Amino acid sequence: DTAVSQTPKYLVTQMGNDKSIKCEQNLGHDTMYWYKQDSKKFLKIMFSYNNKELIINETVPNRFSPKSPDKAHLNLHINSLELGDSAVYFCASSKQGRNEQYFGPGTRLTVT
Amino acid sequence: KQEVTQIPAALSVPEGENLVLNCSFTDSAIYNLQWFRQDPGKGLTSLLLIQSSQREQTSGRLNASLDKSSGRSTLYIAASQPGDSATYLCAVYTDKLIFGTGTRLQVFP
Repeated sequence: DTAVSQTPKYLVTQMGNDKSIKCEQNLGHDTMYWYKQDSKKFLKIMFSYNNKELIINETVPNRFSPKSPDKAHLNLHINSLELGDSAVYFCASSKQGRNEQYFGPGTRLTVT
Repeated sequence: KQEVTQIPAALSVPEGENLVLNCSFTDSAIYNLQWFRQDPGKGLTSLLLIQSSQREQTSGRLNASLDKSSGRSTLYIAASQPGDSATYLCAVYTDKLIFGTGTRLQVFP
């Protein structure tokens, strides 16, 4: 199936740990994104990569570090997890920034 | 700063009704507007994308309109069905996608 996929779907961890979320798209897109959906269901962009180059970096703590090994993959590594990091993280992709974005199923992160 | 608002926040209708979801944005300098649906515990599904030069887009029972100058978009759902129950999100693209607050729709049999 052509899609945006994320792993894991659920992630439960303790404060202070380091964790990673992986994203892959097989749509042939060259732009990928990370979004955060908070407990109030508000969705906000965190990062955007175009052809492996970081083009959007919202005011996100530097404990969050995205990495794009190639155009089809965008991973999110989070250091020293905090309670406030609990949220659903969505990966998305598009042909280029202005085109229709396709979203992955989300990763629900719970920090205890 | 671009802000996107959706009204109503929640809507409950009987099956078969035609309904309208509203989206407003404060800055008309957008490239496009996208409507999504989100089912509980699931990701976002793109429904329609309207370019800034377009007035409307249609897909099946869905019709989305865009009035850029007044900062408004509407999503019209014809002959609603229980399967349409979901949260509907609009998002405008400036240099990034900015999401609205969502409308939670319930269609009951």
